[in-house]
Amino acid sequence: QQPVQSPQAVILREGEDAVINCSSSKALYSVHWYRQKHGEAPVFLMILLKGGEQKGHEKISASFNEKKQQSSLYLTASQLSYSGTYFCGTPDAPWSGGSNYKLTFGKGTLLTVNP
Amino acid sequence: NAGVTQTPKFRVLKTGQSMTLLCAQDMNHEYMYWYRQDPGMGLRLIHYSVGEGTTAKGEVPDGYNVSRLKKQNFLLGLESAAPSQTSVYFCASSHTGRSNIQYFGAGTRLSVL
Repeated sequence: QQPVQSPQAVILREGEDAVINCSSSKALYSVHWYRQKHGEAPVFLMILLKGGEQKGHEKISASFNEKKQQSSLYLTASQLSYSGTYFCGTPDAPWSGGSNYKLTFGKGTLLTVNP
Repeated sequence: NAGVTQTPKFRVLKTGQSMTLLCAQDMNHEYMYWYRQDPGMGLRLIHYSVGEGTTAKGEVPDGYNVSRLKKQNFLLGLESAAPSQTSVYFCASSHTGRSNIQYFGAGTRLSVL
């Protein structure tokens, strides 16, 4: 079942902040975040493996709330280079030595950063 | 280091024609995947493979076949193309392990007329 991302699209000016949410109606075992720039391939940003985990990547960070079955991606002081579509992906099963080798991705959030 | 390479990059087919998309990875990954991407639909898994000689169906497998005769290659076939198969196709690969970080190819843009 596909995770639900919100918002579908967001427009920012350089320097503004944004939050992208990813939620699931079933248990979340881990959450992957990818970014895809226009006309390019998706690129891995970060993975959160445990409930309560938070990670950061430059000015992009994420949190994972296992109980609420959701993850949020935070983009602070946005730059033009942050523009693109952000996807969350979740495995279908908990890790058990090889079972979570496929992900289901959300429909994506289009982020546009303007000067 | 090439990573994941897809060929061709673009293709136009007529309804009913067949074609094969090739994906090659040089990272010695066990797992490989084929996705299609349509506007507003995200990435949807077509077929995947957990090792040489194995394949499995994903979310949208109808109308496609795959083969993984060599560990580094994963082929996606369309036996009789339909306009509904107009899409951008991405191949990805990953190591085994809990993190399952996927590395994507540059994509193949396919139009079926």
